[in-house]
Amino acid sequence: GAVVSQHPSRVICKSGTSVKIECRSLDFQATTMFWYRQFPKQSLMLMATSNEGSKATYEQGVEKDKFLINHASLTLSTLTVTSAHPEDSSFYICSAGDRGLNTIYFGEGSWLTVV
Amino acid sequence: TQLLEQSPQFLSIQEGENLTVYCNSSSVFSSLQWYRQEPGEGPVLLVTVVTGGEVKKLKRLTFQFGDARKDSSLHITAAQPGDTGLYLCACYTGNQFYFGTGTSLTVIP
Repeated sequence: GAVVSQHPSRVICKSGTSVKIECRSLDFQATTMFWYRQFPKQSLMLMATSNEGSKATYEQGVEKDKFLINHASLTLSTLTVTSAHPEDSSFYICSAGDRGLNTIYFGEGSWLTVV
Repeated sequence: TQLLEQSPQFLSIQEGENLTVYCNSSSVFSSLQWYRQEPGEGPVLLVTVVTGGEVKKLKRLTFQFGDARKDSSLHITAAQPGDTGLYLCACYTGNQFYFGTGTSLTVIP
């Protein structure tokens, strides 16, 4: 069964609103979580790395004020897309790693459509 | 510039043919991973290569890690339609986990 769960799997929101995507580790404590964005037939682009209890590290070109990442507990990280625009429509995937990043587990992904 | 460059980016072949996907970097890695992803799903880990020159086989898939641990290849023998998907190499560097540029494979029956 899944060890990392993402919710919602699909969400449609209106332009200008904010939407939150949750990533939960089910059977282990995820000290590190990664958030990716993916366009059709393209690779996963790392957006940010979050460590529990500290601020996320954003990749170059990713707006931290637009993509708010919170990793307040060892089992939950959230990605909030603020003031969403149609160009934010994409497939967002989280992954979680245990201490030492010995194993990385991926969520099922979340489709975001901004209309 | 991408940390991990994959080639080819797109590949469409007939069932039964062989193919090789390459993952190249100018950096040295302690390990590399290969994933396969279906549309709308998360990537699934296929293999982790750790030792330079290492060869690992997974049924019809053969993975090789370069001697210098800067590159890797994935060879599929007698491809089947079920092999269709996005193939990704990936690596850890620092505290980040990056994916390669991806190879989208289509196997035509």
